[in-house]
Amino acid sequence: DIQMTQSPSTLSASVGDRVTITCRASQSISNWLAWYQQKPGKAPKLLIYKASNLESGVPSRFSGSGSGTEFTLTISSLQPDDFATYYCQQYNSYSPWAFGQGTKVEIK
Amino acid sequence: EVQLVESGGGLVRPGGSLRLSCAASGFTFSSYEVNWVRQAPGKGMEWVSYISTSGSTVYYADSVKGRSTVSRDNAKNSLFLQMDSLRAEDTAVYFCARVKSWARAFDIWGQGTMVTVSS
Repeated sequence: DIQMTQSPSTLSASVGDRVTITCRASQSISNWLAWYQQKPGKAPKLLIYKASNLESGVPSRFSGSGSGTEFTLTISSLQPDDFATYYCQQYNSYSPWAFGQGTKVEIK
Repeated sequence: EVQLVESGGGLVRPGGSLRLSCAASGFTFSSYEVNWVRQAPGKGMEWVSYISTSGSTVYYADSVKGRSTVSRDNAKNSLFLQMDSLRAEDTAVYFCARVKSWARAFDIWGQGTMVTVSS
């Protein structure tokens, strides 16, 4: 099975900071990578699909990049509403859907 | 409004069974693949199961394989997860999630239903 590893596990940042979260796959997944935001007690919300495509309605300060085994989620200017936990998720036809362990973005 | 609403969670003893349901509305349910995803208290997300649009193809995580059965009723816009031989480690919030067709990401999620396995 494909394993997804996110770093860091926790990130402390201030409003206005540029934030980058990394996700690494144990083998190549091309660009079959999604990013989600989850707030406490809520379902995850899709932010990015196919590594770099912004989901409709998601602010443009969120962006994704990467292919193969290394991917990043960037928040260009952190806003108060962005303090949450972020998950990457891979899709592979032989090892369907696996999530990273999550990155919690906290207020510094 | 496009939405998914789960139900059927609750407290069950180890070794027991539970059937979760997910009701879809606001879109053509039969045209979408759907999944179950769970989240243990204070933990990350874990993919559980997948079902194709017709129900002819299903996949399971190793952690539930052989103990769970996913099914759907397109006429009733409903998804189900039958869970048997439940263990303490199955305790989690269970979400149903729609696949964003070709993109393979999950674009619509339910609010989740809590399953607690405890004696």
